[in-house]
Amino acid sequence: NAGVTQTPKFQVLKTGQSMTLQCAQDMNHNSMYWYRQDPGMGLRLIYYSASEGTTDKGEVPNGYNVSRLNKREFSLRLESAAPSQTSVYFCASSEYGRGLAGELFFGEGSRLTVL
Amino acid sequence: AQKITQTQPGMFVQEKEAVTLDCTYDTSDPSYGLFWYKQPSSGEMIFLIYQGSYDQQNATEGRYSLNFQKARKSANLVISASQLGDSAMYFCAMSRAFGNEKLTFGTGTRLTIIP
Repeated sequence: NAGVTQTPKFQVLKTGQSMTLQCAQDMNHNSMYWYRQDPGMGLRLIYYSASEGTTDKGEVPNGYNVSRLNKREFSLRLESAAPSQTSVYFCASSEYGRGLAGELFFGEGSRLTVL
Repeated sequence: AQKITQTQPGMFVQEKEAVTLDCTYDTSDPSYGLFWYKQPSSGEMIFLIYQGSYDQQNATEGRYSLNFQKARKSANLVISASQLGDSAMYFCAMSRAFGNEKLTFGTGTRLTIIP
């Protein structure tokens, strides 16, 4: 059972280049999220999608775009990468709003370096 | 706005001892969820435990328990009988409601278990 799969796991970009981080989940979850993790700052929400066809900004959306392609897939795009976007990116999914145990399922992370 | 504060950047604990990781929070929402996640050196995020703001009893999951003191706005994680495998970063997080929408994370505590 794959859970949440992110690609690529590592990427080096030059300033101004664009790229897309792909995320797919096979748990039939409604909600998906993109977080970034920086040293000393914990995880910060970039964008999230509560259900297929909807997306909303999180805490740090500037410089990013997202697409909820279908229920399984949620991609994050950097149109013009900047060194400040060097970070580890995590995709996550959950069953939104069901008041259950409250578990986010995370991918393994994607380490992005912008030179 | 929600805020999570973890004041212990690092802790060293002898193996087999109990350890308490501190977490305080601030929110004006009447209902919320509190979470703890573990991040080993391999980088993945592992869900440990969840507490709803209206839960009467403190949550427990095996060796993990959450010491929830609502009046003090604290949600400390207690690990009993620590093991070498408990060495990791630990993040406290909260959500606005019982679901998982837009988790806000603290900056984390790095726990090192000493043999």
